[in-house]
Amino acid sequence: QQPVQSPQAVILREGEDAVINCSSSKALYSVHWYRQKHGEAPVFLMILLKGGEQKGHEKISASFNEKKQQSSLYLTASQLSYSGTYFCGTEIRGGSNYKLTFGKGTLLTVNP
Amino acid sequence: GAVVSQHPSRVICKSGTSVKIECRSLDFQATTMFWYRQFPKQSLMLMATSNEGSKATYEQGVEKDKFLINHASLTLSTLTVTSAHPEDSSFYICSATSGGLSYEQYFGPGTRLTVT
Repeated sequence: QQPVQSPQAVILREGEDAVINCSSSKALYSVHWYRQKHGEAPVFLMILLKGGEQKGHEKISASFNEKKQQSSLYLTASQLSYSGTYFCGTEIRGGSNYKLTFGKGTLLTVNP
Repeated sequence: GAVVSQHPSRVICKSGTSVKIECRSLDFQATTMFWYRQFPKQSLMLMATSNEGSKATYEQGVEKDKFLINHASLTLSTLTVTSAHPEDSSFYICSATSGGLSYEQYFGPGTRLTVT
């Protein structure tokens, strides 16, 4: 089942912060975050495994609330290069095949 | 990070012909490769999962006879769109994973297919 992302779109000025949420109605094993720029392939940002851990590098971090089956991506002091569509991919482990189901994406626009 | 290439990046073909798209993992061995389809401003829709040396597993609604997938080696998977029609026009993206605990997927640059 496709995870739900919110908001659908957000516009920021350079230096502002943003939070993107991803929620699922199913029990998740992991949540993956990607950023895609127009006409390009998605770029891997980070993975969060169940256990409620938080990860981050530089000014982008994420958390995973296993009880709520929800993950949030935090972008602080946004830069122009952060513009793009952010997708979360959720994994429900079980069966013989591993796969991700992606949300509809959140379009982030950072203006000067 | 891991590098995945795709070829061709763009292809235009006539209706009724077949097109082959290659996906290669350049600096790692990919135990599993995935093929996605993406319409403009839409999400990534998984078409099939392929493991080296095994038959691909197709998602519900994806015609296996139309979208032929071959995963001949740990670094190469191919998607062949057979008897292409204009409605097959789309952005096709592959990804690869080397497995392990976290299964991060690395995406290729995508192939823009236009069927005239």
